[in-house]
Amino acid sequence: SYVLTQPPSVSVAPGETAKISCAGDNFRPKSVHWYQQRPGQAPVLIIYYDSDRLSEKYERFSGSNSGNTATLTITRAEAGDEADYYCHVWDSISDQEIFGGGTRLTVL
Amino acid sequence: EMYLVESGGGSVQPGRSLRLSCAASGFKFEDFAMHWVRQVPGKGLEWVSGISWNGEDIGYAASVKGRFTISRDNANNVLHLEMNSLRREDTALYYCARDTRERLNSYGMDVWGQGTTVTVSS
Repeated sequence: SYVLTQPPSVSVAPGETAKISCAGDNFRPKSVHWYQQRPGQAPVLIIYYDSDRLSEKYERFSGSNSGNTATLTITRAEAGDEADYYCHVWDSISDQEIFGGGTRLTVL
Repeated sequence: EMYLVESGGGSVQPGRSLRLSCAASGFKFEDFAMHWVRQVPGKGLEWVSGISWNGEDIGYAASVKGRFTISRDNANNVLHLEMNSLRREDTALYYCARDTRERLNSYGMDVWGQGTTVTVSS
């Protein structure tokens, strides 16, 4: 089945920019969605359809999709951004929703 | 305010069955596709199953196909997941989630419940 690969962890200093990648094996053109999950909480959709924000609450978050790799960018990182981040696509070959393995963001 | 509230989780022996439900409120349930997503504590998210707004299109993860059945009751705003032949590896927190669109081929899941825990153990 289709696999999305994310780095297990990313660290960023407060106020700096963090980038979280999401790569697919033979990455097929598709829309990528991103979720934030804080410990003990349900996931929250922050970016959908590659780069659309669900709320202006996430104006420091942006998404891009080069066709080979999707990237979630978090500018002016804050302690409150510490969470797990997951990418998600629909795989048209298998007709399944696929999540990446998740990336733990640490704000040092 | 939009809410999804899961119920029906519990402890069950391998090979037995369990039925999860998800009650929706605060939005027009019949306008959206719905999904079940599970998560083993400390691990990542795994999509389990999805159903289109009218129930005509359904999808399952390979790991549950043939054992789990998703359904919806638009008249009562409820999503179900019938889980048969449960295995130890089905142990997880099961989330109900709303899609941003009415069809499968998700454009993101924008409303989530808090989950219900399923434990499969002898």
